[in-house]
Amino acid sequence: GAVVSQHPSRVICKSGTSVKIECRSLDFQATTMFWYRQFPKQSLMLMATSNEGSKATYEQGVEKDKFLINHASLTLSTLTVTSAHPEDSSFYICSASEGGIDEQFFGPGTRLTVL
Amino acid sequence: QKEVEQDPGPLSVPEGAIVSLNCTYSNSAFQYFMWYRQYSRKGPELLMYTYSSGNKEDGRFTAQVDKSSKYISLFIRDSQPSDSATYLCAMSGTSNDYKLSFGAGTTVTVRA
Repeated sequence: GAVVSQHPSRVICKSGTSVKIECRSLDFQATTMFWYRQFPKQSLMLMATSNEGSKATYEQGVEKDKFLINHASLTLSTLTVTSAHPEDSSFYICSASEGGIDEQFFGPGTRLTVL
Repeated sequence: QKEVEQDPGPLSVPEGAIVSLNCTYSNSAFQYFMWYRQYSRKGPELLMYTYSSGNKEDGRFTAQVDKSSKYISLFIRDSQPSDSATYLCAMSGTSNDYKLSFGAGTTVTVRA
């Protein structure tokens, strides 16, 4: 199957700093990329959907000014957590789709810990 | 009420047993049903994909969808220790927007 990478895999930062997470589709062009967050023993919650070259669509309750998403190319999307706080600590997972609903491939996730 | 309900377990079975997992949902618009496997600290990987009601078999895995009951199942035959993971159900109403609603995931341990 297609490969999606995320960088970094783990990040620890101080409260108030900003953190950028990259999501790349390595061997295909992703028309759409998604960002999820997952708390321990909980489900994946969709945060936003992004299409290359256009503004991201955020889910209800997700602050677009806090979670900045840039989808600059068909292989790269970034999520920036601005002014991070301890409650933002979570597992952030991206996915990329090259076409069909069964063709959504997930990255390995980024563990964010805000001290 | 959550849109997708899934018992988080944990579920522990001996090697060779049949693992039975299920999800219920409330949105009758869901037509696309998926099961993902997620190993610890990794992203989910697609195991099974089913459209509408019916059964689908792939090797040791069988997925069943009963839309009338809003109930889906995943069965793993001849389970192996390598099947130990968290299994998430996911579903969507259309094939175009790709937005998935996930269950909480069931953690499965297959004991050698």
